[in-house]
Amino acid sequence: GQNIDQPTEMTATEGAIVQINCTYQTSGFNGLFWYQQHAGEAPTFLSYNVLDGLEEKGRFSSFLSRSKGYSYLLLKELQMKDSASYLCALGLNYGQNFVFGPGTRLSVLP
Amino acid sequence: DVKVTQSSRYLVKRTGEKVFLECVQDMDHENMFWYRQDPGLGLRLIYFSYDVKMKEKGDIPEGYSVSREKKERFSLILESASTNQTSMYLCASSPRPGTGGNTIYFGEGSWLTVV
Repeated sequence: GQNIDQPTEMTATEGAIVQINCTYQTSGFNGLFWYQQHAGEAPTFLSYNVLDGLEEKGRFSSFLSRSKGYSYLLLKELQMKDSASYLCALGLNYGQNFVFGPGTRLSVLP
Repeated sequence: DVKVTQSSRYLVKRTGEKVFLECVQDMDHENMFWYRQDPGLGLRLIYFSYDVKMKEKGDIPEGYSVSREKKERFSLILESASTNQTSMYLCASSPRPGTGGNTIYFGEGSWLTVV
């Protein structure tokens, strides 16, 4: 198995920066993905890392360290609409399989 | 814009009924997936298909079957629904690597309640 771990819940304040961590144990994967899921809705794609390092997309950035089995999603200038669950997922077999972590529920407070 | 459409948003079925959940994607993707999502357990893969008429078991296939007769359509079948199959079901698709894009796209989800 891939044993993906994420914190269950996090709370942050509007305008702040928050880092959501994801650790995993796996023998191999093609890429690490981050998704956002609002309550009652489908997950939507946020970011993707293949190589080690930081990928930046506007207010969202994702970091990967394959040697440490670790990734994080960084959200800047938090807005109320960022309150959602954030899922990290490993892409396996070149897109034929995706394994998801349990998700982190983020609450952004005014 | 990518589109994965699930036929039913909310369903209520009785124990023992046969249930069909339909999913259609318009992106010409090779790979299609069925997940269920339960509180505290996250997304769990039921079945996936990487080509027409091909299917592979995921992590929790028991009590489910699938059908992929056409590339764009992937159906999930509950042969005899049970209360422990009450859940949110998510269909998804992804392209074959090298054909453009590398992520997975989800439908809106189907909330199934078995009573």
